[in-house]
Amino acid sequence: DQQVKQNSPSLSVQEGRISILNCDYTNSMFDYFLWYKKYPAEGPTFLISISSIKDKNEDGRFTVFLNKSAKHLSLHIVPSQPGDSAVYFCAASGGGATNKLIFGTGTLLAVQP
Amino acid sequence: SQTIHQWPATLVQPVGSPLSLECTVEGTSNPNLYWYRQAAGRGLQLLFYSVGIGQISSEVPQNLSASRPQDRQFILSSKKLLLSDSGFYLCASAGGWTEAFFGQGTRLTVV
Repeated sequence: DQQVKQNSPSLSVQEGRISILNCDYTNSMFDYFLWYKKYPAEGPTFLISISSIKDKNEDGRFTVFLNKSAKHLSLHIVPSQPGDSAVYFCAASGGGATNKLIFGTGTLLAVQP
Repeated sequence: SQTIHQWPATLVQPVGSPLSLECTVEGTSNPNLYWYRQAAGRGLQLLFYSVGIGQISSEVPQNLSASRPQDRQFILSSKKLLLSDSGFYLCASAGGWTEAFFGQGTRLTVV
């Protein structure tokens, strides 16, 4: 049962344009959402997060939007840069003591120069 | 910030051999610890998580086990490896509401 889904396995964007990565979840108990970036043969690195009490969080070129009613979140990267090329994972958590992070399947972003 | 040490970085093991991957954490105390696996072309699957010494929760039935003998040490083991155990194994550490920090991973190939 995939509780966190990233339906686009890959995305190609031109440098300077906006990249939009999408993520859907099924568990209404999730209340904390994160995006991670991963290069091959390395561990994921944290990018940005959002709590369910917010619908938007911005950090430089990265913005995460949360639509709780649709159980949908998205990561916007603008402007996209070639160094952004990586696999992006969204993750969700019920928060609290255990903070069990459930990851999506990932989206491979390729930013073309 | 936290630092997660994982070793070895790569490992090639024959089918039926045992496995022991170790993860240690610096820069925090009493973290929640996780083992994830990324199989080829797939996402990050949560295998085990631990909220304290000796406390292990298994997320999926499998050929692997985990142990937490010390607060900042998390071990992934198998008595007999299967071909399907091949993958990229990641250890992670997190506090209650904070993001998880990951180790650099171990690429396991079972031959």
